[in-house]
Amino acid sequence: EAAVTQSPRNKVAVTGGKVTLSCNQTNNHNNMYWYRQDTGHGLRLIHYSYGAGSTEKGDIPDGYKASRPSQENFSLILELATPSQTSVYFCASGPTGGNTGQLYFGEGSKLTVL
Amino acid sequence: QQQVRQSPQSLTVWEGETAILNCSYEDSTFNYFPWYQQFPGEGPALLISIRSVSDKKEDGRFTIFFNKREKKLSLHITDSQPGDSATYFCAAANSGTYQRFGTGTKLQVVP
Repeated sequence: EAAVTQSPRNKVAVTGGKVTLSCNQTNNHNNMYWYRQDTGHGLRLIHYSYGAGSTEKGDIPDGYKASRPSQENFSLILELATPSQTSVYFCASGPTGGNTGQLYFGEGSKLTVL
Repeated sequence: QQQVRQSPQSLTVWEGETAILNCSYEDSTFNYFPWYQQFPGEGPALLISIRSVSDKKEDGRFTIFFNKREKKLSLHITDSQPGDSATYFCAAANSGTYQRFGTGTKLQVVP
């Protein structure tokens, strides 16, 4: 069964601190994505990747970095966390091509920046 | 710029009624439209999808109606059940772009 797992599930960070959100997929999908979900905004794409070693900017990349060291793993990095980055973050994996098929989402990582 | 729009933002229906969720998009090259269902505390999961070559897709109580000319879709949930209470996202994509999501419709089905 397709699986995407995220860690940590909950994180409290201080302003200016560094936060790393991790994602692992066992679907053997080339594409992986990081979204944030906020009330009134739906799901907004932060970064995505076409495969190991590649990262691309999504619609709201400012303040975030991404890393794809392998097919299975994709990390989202907040070098200097700010309260505006308090949100729920979702990782997803999917086949090559936006219209090829469905995305598989993880269960989310709730981040609170104080 | 919001390329995919959904309405209403929230919807309450009685058990057994038909819920109608609307979606519209900007880019005429979009040709794949998945709908995702999300329960509280979980990630979204695919519910049903349609491609632009079709104007209707059914899966049990869930039906997508697609109007290519007007760039509009709707998701009909017939005989709504309390277990259908969730947030529903419409998304759109073509071969060259990632899936773009609407802001979602929160559905509540009252027993």
